[in-house]
Amino acid sequence: TQLLEQSPQFLSIQEGENLTVYCNSSSVFSSLQWYRQEPGEGPVLLVTVVTGGEVKKLKRLTFQFGDARKDSSLHITAAQPGDTGLYLCAGAGQGAQKLVFGQGTRLTINP
Amino acid sequence: GAVVSQHPSWVICKSGTSVKIECRSLDFQATTMFWYRQFPKQSLMLMATSNEGSKATYEQGVEKDKFLINHASLTLSTLTVTSAHPEDSSFYICSATPWITEAFFGQGTRLTVV
Repeated sequence: TQLLEQSPQFLSIQEGENLTVYCNSSSVFSSLQWYRQEPGEGPVLLVTVVTGGEVKKLKRLTFQFGDARKDSSLHITAAQPGDTGLYLCAGAGQGAQKLVFGQGTRLTINP
Repeated sequence: GAVVSQHPSWVICKSGTSVKIECRSLDFQATTMFWYRQFPKQSLMLMATSNEGSKATYEQGVEKDKFLINHASLTLSTLTVTSAHPEDSSFYICSATPWITEAFFGQGTRLTVV
């Protein structure tokens, strides 16, 4: 069974600080997605990484896929209150549509 | 991105009644859709995989007679919570994948059983 360990599960920091969220597994994934979810809404896709070592940037968010495609990280620079939400990583196995989700990181950015 | 629409957004029902939740892929065909349940402040828990034209595949511990899934067309899957009880109150979310590497989610349905 493929598992994704996401950490930290809770993070509360001040506006302007940087942070990193990690997603780790002992399994190899063909792709890994990061989602952001607001209360009462469904998750919204932020990015998909496919190639080992791949780095993608989305404004102040930087996503990295590990070389072995077993782990990923999300780094936010100069966090803002609008970044507050639940961040979820999800991995897809080879040829599989079913996603494996991490436990989620509940991020709170205090003004 | 692709659009998945879920209806209703919220529903309140009496204990013992059944509730149907719809999940539609609006701009693509989905032979497979997924149903999740989410408890407060937690991640998504996969309940079942809905397969167009065949029976759904349920995850371990999910009662198939309790949570009926029908995927009668390439754009619609429904989840019916039968004989609902207060412990079934939760946030239910569906997803569909237009291509293997990415999933798109519905808006979610907040079910409250009173």
